[in-house]
Amino acid sequence: GENVEQHPSTLSVQEGDSAVIKCTYSDSASNYFPWYKQELGKRPQLIIDIRSNVGEKKDQRIAVTLNKTAKHFSLHITETQPEDSAVYFCAASASNTGNQFYFGTGTSLTVIP
Amino acid sequence: SAVISQKPSRDICQRGTSLTIQCQVDSQVTMMFWYRQQPGQSLTLIATANQGSEATYESGFVIDKFPISRPNLTFSTLTVSNMSPEDSSIYLCSVRRSSYNEQFFGPGTRLTVL
Repeated sequence: GENVEQHPSTLSVQEGDSAVIKCTYSDSASNYFPWYKQELGKRPQLIIDIRSNVGEKKDQRIAVTLNKTAKHFSLHITETQPEDSAVYFCAASASNTGNQFYFGTGTSLTVIP
Repeated sequence: SAVISQKPSRDICQRGTSLTIQCQVDSQVTMMFWYRQQPGQSLTLIATANQGSEATYESGFVIDKFPISRPNLTFSTLTVSNMSPEDSSIYLCSVRRSSYNEQFFGPGTRLTVL
C-alpha cells in the first residue's frame, strides 16, 4: 500500500519567515494530495490541496508544489504569523484504491513572535 | 464544506464497558470514515462506514471491537466495545461528498478509559 513520509517532525521559525514541510509518497497511482492544519484540541482542517494534473497551487500565503516524477510534494507558508503555529499533516490518495487517505506523521510548526 | 457534529465530545469510561459515538452531517454524503488519533500521533483509519452494508475495516481493527452503523447518508455510529485503557484516544468521523471531493473532519470525541 501507500507509504507517506513527512519531514521535519518539528519546525520553529521566526515570525515573518517562511516555513516548508515536505512529504514523499510511494504509490505512483496517488493523484490527490491534501494538507490539513490541526490546532491544539481542534479537528484537522483542510487548508489546501493539489491534484496530479497541476504542479503548483497557491492560496494567499500558502502554496503547495507537486513533483510527480520524484513522488514528493511540499507545503510552503510565507510571512508566517503566530496563528500559523499548529500541527500540519499531509496525505495522499489514489482514486483506484477506494480513495483512502494515507496520512503523514505530522509536523509541529511553531512561529516565534 | 459540510457541518459535522459528534456526540459525546468527551467521556471518561470504566474498563470493560462500551461507548457509542454518534456522527451527524448536515447534508447527504457518499463516504463516511472513522479515525483514531492517539496523543501526539497521526490519523489512523479504523473503517469506512458503508450505508446499508457492513463497514470495511482496516488492518488491525475488527467489527467485534469497533461495530459501526450507518443507517442513512447523514448519520453513523462507532461503538468502542469492552474498553481498556489502550482505547483512550480521540475518535474522529470524517466525510466526503463523493470520491473526488474534499474530506472534512468532525470535532472528535476524546475518550479516556480508566
